[in-house]
Amino acid sequence: GESVGLHLPTLSVQEGDNSIINCAYSNSASDYFIWYKQESGKGPQFIIDIRSNMDKRQGQRVTVLLNKTVKHLSLQIAATQPGDSAVYFCAENSGYSTLTFGKGTMLLVSP
Amino acid sequence: GAVVSQHPSRVICKSGTSVKIECRSLDFQATTMFWYRQFPKKSLMLMATSNEGSKATYEQGVEKDKFLINHASLTLSTLTVTSAHPEDSSFYICSAREGGGSAEAFFGQGTRLTVV
Repeated sequence: GESVGLHLPTLSVQEGDNSIINCAYSNSASDYFIWYKQESGKGPQFIIDIRSNMDKRQGQRVTVLLNKTVKHLSLQIAATQPGDSAVYFCAENSGYSTLTFGKGTMLLVSP
Repeated sequence: GAVVSQHPSRVICKSGTSVKIECRSLDFQATTMFWYRQFPKKSLMLMATSNEGSKATYEQGVEKDKFLINHASLTLSTLTVTSAHPEDSSFYICSAREGGGSAEAFFGQGTRLTVV
């Protein structure tokens, strides 16, 4: 079946740097995408979402970019902080169905 | 955002016994709840989708007789792992969606199950 995948399993950055986490999806019918942050031993925490009729959405220190032409999603975190260290998952939704999660990227932020 | 409470957060049980995990939506009505399983350093794998008042829909490869799901009310879904074996040890996470077409799902804090 179609799936969502991530390119990098681990991303290490210095505090204050900008981080970019990438995600490739393959289901062209997906109309809604979400980024989640998961800290060790906890459930996923919603970060930001974007619908397929948009190509960019900004939140506080985070920006999600959607490129439907190449089926690519990215999460940009500005001025990364040690508290941002976690595993980040992208997820896609097709209509009113379940979320399909990508493999995850571990973000490690060094002080 | 909305709050989903999952209980217990950790449980240890003996092989052959059953364990129940609860998932509650605290401030909204969850017409749909989802149960996921997550292995260490892996992504979330959907096990089943449950709608209030109807039977759960299980993903391929998930044994419905082993993982019993009940969604008896709009605020509570339970997952019962029956006749647990050590290979059932995992992190189980629930999520809930409010009705009305909202796509956002809220997640519980997860349950770490260890079968000894």
